Amino acid sequence: QKEVEQDPGPLSVPEGAIVSLNCTYSNSAFQYFMWYRQYSRKGPELLMYTYSSGNKEDGRFTAQVDKSSKYISLFIRDSQPSDSATYLCAMRASGTYKYIFGTGTRLKVLA
Amino acid sequence: DVKVTQSSRYLVKRTGEKVFLECVQDMDHENMFWYRQDPGLGLRLIYFSYDVKMKEKGDIPEGYSVSREKKERFSLILESASTNQTSMYLCASSFGAQGGANVLTFGAGSRLTVL
Repeated sequence: QKEVEQDPGPLSVPEGAIVSLNCTYSNSAFQYFMWYRQYSRKGPELLMYTYSSGNKEDGRFTAQVDKSSKYISLFIRDSQPSDSATYLCAMRASGTYKYIFGTGTRLKVLA
Repeated sequence: DVKVTQSSRYLVKRTGEKVFLECVQDMDHENMFWYRQDPGLGLRLIYFSYDVKMKEKGDIPEGYSVSREKKERFSLILESASTNQTSMYLCASSFGAQGGANVLTFGAGSRLTVL
């Protein structure tokens, strides 16, 4: 079993929809949770990061962490065609340099 | 803005050639990383460095070596390229304290094809 599981998609939604992207993990030591967006043939760019449990909002993006369920989510409101990309979750335990990545979910927002 | 620059975006090499991938960051980050990204496998850590001349193996170091002679520069070396090393290579950097979020900042990637 992988330490981090992420549905690869593709996920296709109409413009304006609310998108929910999710990752589950098995290591209860993870404390830092990140979401990266990666456009085709580009490097990943950081969208959100969260420490421990809770919610964090930034514009149209909301990140949620539920440590009791070992589940993290990224919500995108009012999705736009420019949101079409692969979304990667990543997480790390305190006291280590090692980040564990999900395999990414491909999102397509249709105009 | 932190910038991580990978010198070569696209490379085509022949089996057995020695390949150098260069990465430079301009934000005085202590940590630097090399990942490879393959469809269905996600990002896998090859090597990372937490200081000049210091390095640690990641999950898939076989067939690779690294060099960090200056804080801002981290090189990935394929001593004898093989076709199974065809991949997207991503360099990243972060601040050093293990207790903080220390998010990774990535370069644009180097797509290597080995024929």
